[in-house]
This record gives sequence, C-alpha cells and structure tokens, in this order.
Amino acid sequence: QQPVQSPQAVILREGEDAVINCSSSKALYSVHWYRQKHGEAPVFLMILLKGGEQMRHEKISASFNEKKQQSSLYLTASQLSYSGTYFCGTDNAGNNRKLIWGLGTSLAVNP
Amino acid sequence: NAGVTQTPKFRVLKTGQSMTLLCAQDMNHEYMYWYRQDPGMGLRLIHYSVGEGTTAKGEVPDGYNVSRLKKQNFLLGLESAAPSQTSVYFCASTQGSYEQYFGPGTRLTVT
Repeated sequence: QQPVQSPQAVILREGEDAVINCSSSKALYSVHWYRQKHGEAPVFLMILLKGGEQMRHEKISASFNEKKQQSSLYLTASQLSYSGTYFCGTDNAGNNRKLIWGLGTSLAVNP
Repeated sequence: NAGVTQTPKFRVLKTGQSMTLLCAQDMNHEYMYWYRQDPGMGLRLIHYSVGEGTTAKGEVPDGYNVSRLKKQNFLLGLESAAPSQTSVYFCASTQGSYEQYFGPGTRLTVT
C-alpha cells in the first residue's frame, strides 16, 4: 500500500525549517528518502532502517518511528538548493528489493 | 563510470507502434527496475529484476514486457503503444544495499 506523504507542498524562505512526513498502513522495515529536481532523476538522500539510528545528510535529518509506521524528514536552515520534490519509498517486505513510493512533497525555497 | 544510462532520451510514437527502451549500468548491480512517472502520481514500478535472466512484475506491468539477458542491461518493451503510456520512464539499479541509482529518464509521448 502506498505511503502517504504530508504536506503535499511547502513554500519556505531561505533559512526556514520544514518537516515532511511519510506514513504507512503496513509495518515498515525501512524508509528511503530521495529528492528530485525538476527535469532530473531522483537522487538518494538517506535510508532509515528498523532499529537504526537517526540519519543525516548535510543539514537534512530523518527519523523513523516503527510503532507509528512513519518517518519524518527534517530540513533545517533551508537553502535554495533544497528546492525540489521529496519522495519517500517504503520497504514492507524486509528485503529492500521493492520500494513503494509516496506521491511526493514539493518544496520551494525562495530567497 | 557512466552509472545508469538510458536510450533514447526522447521518443514520439503513434498509437499501435512498438519500441524498446534500453537501460544499461556499469556498476555490476544485481537489481534493476523500470518505473514510470506521471504528474502527481509519483514513481510506479513497472517490472524489476533481481539478477541476470530473472524478471518480475511490479505495480503497473500491463502493456509492457522486459528482458534481462545480460546483467548490465534491462530492456523495457512496448508491444502496442497506447496514449496512456505517455510518461517519463526511469530505470534504476542497486546492489541491494539500499541506494537506488537512477538513469536520466526517457520522455515518451504516444499520439
């Protein structure tokens, strides 16, 4: 079942913070986060594993709450380069072979 | 390393025509994937492969066929193109160690 991402869209001023959530109705073994800029391919940011630690990529961090079956992506002190669409992909089978992707969260960072 | 490459980058087909999209990776990855991405729909898995000579159906396999005769190549075929297959097609590969590497995409229009 497709994970639900919220919010659908965010507009920030440079330096502001944002949180993007990814929730699943099924048990999660891992959550993968990717960013896609307009006209480009998705690029890997980080993966959150069941029982693993909070991860970090530059000033972007993420957490994974197994009980709530959700992950959150925290963008701190946003930069113009953070603009794009953020996707979460979830592994419900525990083998990382197939991911089910959310519909994405569009993030625009303005000067 | 070229990473993941896709051929062609753009294509326009008429309804009923056939074509093959080629994905090649030079990272010796076991797993390869074909996705389609439509506005507002996120990434949807068409078919995937967990090794040379293997293929499996994803979420939206109808109207597509695939082959993985060589480990480095994953072909996606459209036997009789339909306007509903107008989309951006992404190929990705991974060794199973979590990060999926995406190709640049193929923009297909079926008229």
